[in-house]
Amino acid sequence: AQSVSQHNHHVILSEAASLELGCNYSYGGTVNLFWYVQYPGQHLQLLLKYFSGDPLVKGIKGFEAEFIKSKFSFNLRKPSVQWSDTAEYFCAVSGGSNYKLTFGKGTLLTVNP
Amino acid sequence: DAGVTQSPTHLIKTRGQQVTLRCSPISGHKSVSWYQQVLGQGPQFIFQYYEKEERGRGNFPDRFSARQFPNYSSELNVNALLLGDSALYLCASSFSQGYAEAFFGQGTRLTVV
Repeated sequence: AQSVSQHNHHVILSEAASLELGCNYSYGGTVNLFWYVQYPGQHLQLLLKYFSGDPLVKGIKGFEAEFIKSKFSFNLRKPSVQWSDTAEYFCAVSGGSNYKLTFGKGTLLTVNP
Repeated sequence: DAGVTQSPTHLIKTRGQQVTLRCSPISGHKSVSWYQQVLGQGPQFIFQYYEKEERGRGNFPDRFSARQFPNYSSELNVNALLLGDSALYLCASSFSQGYAEAFFGQGTRLTVV
């Protein structure tokens, strides 16, 4: 069975601080990895995804993530956060039976101006 | 260009009642997946339908059922509602069975009293 663990429940940063959100997954085969963001009152939006190739993936709004296969990790990073990045962030994985996404519990990011 | 449309946006039901939630995928998309998001948790997979056939089912009781129509829209039905069914129900639409280009709707907020 696949599972996803997000290390931080709530992260509070000041504007211009750097961000790293941890994500570890458990699955024995080839995985596809995703980061989604949910802004207050809005729908889930895809930030970035990894399927294969370069393990450093760039997404929208300056976010990037690095897939480290040996550590089963897919951490999300941003060099300098903005107040508008305040949202909930979800890491997700789909495995060989790609009909479902398994999500982590989410990390709430609060960015103070 | 219309995104994924879910209806209704909110509803309140009484324990023991039945509810039907609706999802219209993006035009051209043939796959619809349903997720339940309880407050403070990540979305949990309920069903996926692709080309009008059930392709996957999550760990939910038989009170949960779904179907996909010839126009690829979908309904999620929940019978004998319990207080614990209170959640945000999300629909995801994609062209194929995977999630490479999946889009989520804004969800239906169900409250069971």
